[in-house]
Amino acid sequence: GAGVSQTPSNKVTEKGKYVELRCDPISGHTALYWYRQSLGQGPEFLIYFQGTGAADDSGLPNDRFFAVRPEGSVSTLKIQRTERGDSAVYLCASSSISGNTIYFGEGSWLTVV
Amino acid sequence: AQSVTQLDSQVPVFEEAPVELRCNYSSSVSVYLFWYVQYPNQGLQLLLKYLSGSTLVESINGFEAEFNKSQTSFHLRKPSVHISDTAEYFCAVSEGGDSSYKLIFGSGTRLLVRP
Repeated sequence: GAGVSQTPSNKVTEKGKYVELRCDPISGHTALYWYRQSLGQGPEFLIYFQGTGAADDSGLPNDRFFAVRPEGSVSTLKIQRTERGDSAVYLCASSSISGNTIYFGEGSWLTVV
Repeated sequence: AQSVTQLDSQVPVFEEAPVELRCNYSSSVSVYLFWYVQYPNQGLQLLLKYLSGSTLVESINGFEAEFNKSQTSFHLRKPSVHISDTAEYFCAVSEGGDSSYKLIFGSGTRLLVRP
């Protein structure tokens, strides 16, 4: 597709449940990023992939959060035992290996009730 | 550690008036600077960026920002705003080199343009 695609656009889940959020980057982009945006805040860095490997996962808040990118394209952010504090917009972004411009998707709105 | 401060959470302005959205950053190393815009119900879009060279950078829709190293600022300006400029604006910084991928965002400024 033309841009970064994220699914689902909205997800409501119960506390304690497991959630997966999917990101399809711009075709040909080798770098992929996940950010989290809480209400009234700017996005916060979670993890960065270069190809299939996580080059920097220093932003993941705890071990309930995990992300994969097995074939170097689509990525899945996985959240175990969700908590109400996990409610936020999860943003995926991608960039070309040689570019500095990072392109964002529209985000997945996660609400934990 | 890097940080970005956007002092104004909301800036109301009348159409055709000038506007300045303030951004200050803290960093001990050289930085790249960005402004992103988020229109209602849309994703973040890059508005403009400073990587090196001329300290004044411009966007295609009339915004400009100037990198001021001594004041550690990257304020966004437009001489005459339109209703369609109503959006949330985020300033962001990253370190150069190998860490250029990690953006640190400010908390955003909501620009509200009134007729």
